[in-house]
Amino acid sequence: AQSVAQPEDQVNVAEGNPLTVKCTYSVSGNPYLFWYVQYPNRGLQFLLKYITGDNLVKGSYGFEAEFNKSQTSFHLKKPSALVSDSALYFCAVRDTNNFNKFYFGSGTKLNVKP
Amino acid sequence: EAQVTQNPRYLITVTGKKLTVTCSQNMNHEYMSWYRQDPGLGLRQIYYSMNVEVTDKGDVPEGYKVSRKEKRNFPLILESPSPNQTSLYFCASSLSGRGRDTQYFGPGTRLTVL
Repeated sequence: AQSVAQPEDQVNVAEGNPLTVKCTYSVSGNPYLFWYVQYPNRGLQFLLKYITGDNLVKGSYGFEAEFNKSQTSFHLKKPSALVSDSALYFCAVRDTNNFNKFYFGSGTKLNVKP
Repeated sequence: EAQVTQNPRYLITVTGKKLTVTCSQNMNHEYMSWYRQDPGLGLRQIYYSMNVEVTDKGDVPEGYKVSRKEKRNFPLILESPSPNQTSLYFCASSLSGRGRDTQYFGPGTRLTVL
């Protein structure tokens, strides 16, 4: 079965410090990976995706993600966190056998303290 | 404004009373999908549709029905709701093909089944 895992329910970081939100994946074949963000009482918003190419993917709001094939990871990063980055973050993978199906992680709550 | 809308946003109902959650998008997207979000489980895909009159099951389709009679609408039907269907539901849409990578989500419908 194809899946993603987010090992941390919550990540706390001080404003101005770098942040990392972790994601590992399990797929057959080449992965198509995504990060989405969910602000309170809102739907999910697309942040970035990895399809192929450079292992460092840049996305919206200054976020980037590093694809690591040997560690089967796709961690979300930002060099300097903002209080407004506080939200729920989801990693997702597209099914490599059926491109219409997607699997999401359990989510990581990011708290950025002033 | 490009958007995905869902109605109602909040619904409290009783076991066995049929209900429909509507989803509509104004972006002329071919692909639409329904997810449910539960604490600790992330988002799980219920059904998806590749185009008008073309639908298929996601990971958790039991107890749900969908239809796609028009391109813009993709209603989710619970014929006989049960308490284990209490959840937060999201509709999403995207272009087909490679564009399917980026999904646009509605604001969510919080359903409580008593």
